[in-house]
Amino acid sequence: AQRVTQPEKLLSVFKGAPVELKCNYSYSGSPELFWYVQYSRQRLQLLLRHISRESIKGFTADLNKGETSFHLKKPFAQEEDSAMYYCALRRTQGAQKLVFGQGTRLTINP
Amino acid sequence: DVKVTQSSRYLVKRTGEKVFLECVQDMDHENMFWYRQDPGLGLRLIYFSYDVKMKEKGDIPEGYSVSREKKERFSLILESASTNQTSMYLCASSFLITEAFFGQGTRLTVV
Repeated sequence: AQRVTQPEKLLSVFKGAPVELKCNYSYSGSPELFWYVQYSRQRLQLLLRHISRESIKGFTADLNKGETSFHLKKPFAQEEDSAMYYCALRRTQGAQKLVFGQGTRLTINP
Repeated sequence: DVKVTQSSRYLVKRTGEKVFLECVQDMDHENMFWYRQDPGLGLRLIYFSYDVKMKEKGDIPEGYSVSREKKERFSLILESASTNQTSMYLCASSFLITEAFFGQGTRLTVV
């Protein structure tokens, strides 16, 4: 089975502070992991994916297979980062089923 | 630009009605998905389809069925709507290594 867990439903930090959104997964194969973001009144959209290893809007995420984690980090939060963030896992064996975590609502305080 | 379009933004239906939610994508994607989005529960996969007439149950398929007769269209069917199916429904599509692209969502209220 494939499962994604985001332990924090809500996260509130001050502008300029570091941010870390946690994501843990379970999957028997080699996973493909993503972070999606939903800004207010907008569609869900891709933020980043682990295979690209790039930083998007200052965010990075490292896949840790030993800890089965894919935490999202940003060193200095900005007010425009306030949004709903979802971690997702795509199956790499067979049909490409995509499952999401429960989401974390990030609020950046001025 | 990939377009995933859901037929309705808002829908109000009565308990017991049969409800159809439609989703169309214009990028020839093999995979299409239906999720429901509820606060605190995140996105839960209802069904997904990996080809025409091919489908697989997600985590919460009870009370729902799907239809994919053409590659570009994926329909979610509530056989007999109930109040606990009041939710935001999201459709998405993807292909091989691409990310999933989402529709704007349909907010369904069952009264």
